[in-house]
Amino acid sequence: DIQMTQSPSSLSASIGDRVTITCRASQSISTYLNWYQQKPGKAPKLLIYAASSLQSGVPSRFSGSGSGTDFTLTISSLQPEDFATYYCQQTYSTPRTFGQGTKVEIE
Amino acid sequence: EVQLVESGGGLVQPGGSLRLSCAASGFTFSSYEMNWVRQAPGKGLEWVSYISSGGTTIYYVDSVKGRFTISRDNAKNSLYLQMNSLRAEDTAVYYCAREGGARRFDPWGQGTLVTVSS
Repeated sequence: DIQMTQSPSSLSASIGDRVTITCRASQSISTYLNWYQQKPGKAPKLLIYAASSLQSGVPSRFSGSGSGTDFTLTISSLQPEDFATYYCQQTYSTPRTFGQGTKVEIE
Repeated sequence: EVQLVESGGGLVQPGGSLRLSCAASGFTFSSYEMNWVRQAPGKGLEWVSYISSGGTTIYYVDSVKGRFTISRDNAKNSLYLQMNSLRAEDTAVYYCAREGGARRFDPWGQGTLVTVSS
């Protein structure tokens, strides 16, 4: 199975900050990497697919990059509604594993 | 509007069974692959199972193999998860998710809570 490791597990940031979350796969997954945002009590929401493609309706402050084993999710200017937990997911092979999550909190 | 609505969750004793349903609307259900993903209380997301659009290809995470069965009825626009021999560690919110182009999971249902406890 492919293991997905996110870092950090949590971070504190202020409104307007640039935030970067990294995700590393245990083997190459090409660009089969998705990013999701989840708020408490809600279902996950797709932000980025295929490593760098912005899902329709998602603000342009969210961006993704990477290929192979190393990926990043960047929020260019953190907004109040962005405080949530973020998950990466590989869909290169089954099981379609998720990272452990990164909780973004208010500083 | 594209929508997925899960149902069938509840409290069940260890060793018991439960059948989850996911009703799809707003898109051509028979054209899409589907997945079940679960989230234990306070924990991260765990992919559980996949089924191809025609139902011929199926995958499971190792921890549920032999106990869970995924199926679909394209005529009824519905996805199912039959869960047998339930264990305490199966306690979670279960989400269904459509798998679209580039293998993206979107949208997700609102989830249904399964609690396995005596």
